[in-house]
Amino acid sequence: AQSVSQHNHHVILSEAASLELGCNYSYGGTVNLFWYVQYPGQHLQLLLKYFSGDPLVKGIKGFEAEFIKSKFSFNLRKPSVQWSDTAEYFCAVNAHGNNRLAFGKGNQVVVIP
Amino acid sequence: DSGVTQTPKHLITATGQRVTLRCSPRSGDLSVYWYQQSLDQGLQFLIQYYNGEERAKGNILERFSAQQFPDLHSELNLSSLELGDSALYFCASSVDDNPQQFFGPGTRLTVL
Repeated sequence: AQSVSQHNHHVILSEAASLELGCNYSYGGTVNLFWYVQYPGQHLQLLLKYFSGDPLVKGIKGFEAEFIKSKFSFNLRKPSVQWSDTAEYFCAVNAHGNNRLAFGKGNQVVVIP
Repeated sequence: DSGVTQTPKHLITATGQRVTLRCSPRSGDLSVYWYQQSLDQGLQFLIQYYNGEERAKGNILERFSAQQFPDLHSELNLSSLELGDSALYFCASSVDDNPQQFFGPGTRLTVL
């Protein structure tokens, strides 16, 4: 079964700072990778996804992620955060042919104005 | 708005009781997934239905069961509730074998 690790559960940063959230997964086969965001009191929304092709993926709201197969990683980045990026961010993985999602524990990001 | 609807939004009940959570997938989606989000366990996959049939099972307790009806809506039944069942329960749906899932707003269950 797949498992997902996210480090630095709580991240506090100032507006305009850069953000990078790490995600590592363990699974030997081909995977699909996702980053979801959960704003306070809201449901999960997809930020970006990787199925195949260019390992650098651009998502909504200025987020991007890079899939590095050799490191089993799919790190999320944003060059300059805004107060509205305050949310919890979840990395998720599913295996090709098995759509159940395995989630990391999440990163609680607080952006200070 | 993802197009996935869940009712009720909040549910407060007592230990030992039984509740039913309802999910309507996006129009055209045949797969429905249930996830539990709790503080200690995080987000965990419970079960998947595809066009009325159970397709995959995750960390779902025997006290919990689900079904998908001919109109494709799904219900998650939780019985003999315990304090530890308090959590946010999400439903998601997807088109056939597309790995991307769309999540509903969730049902917050509080067991007192």
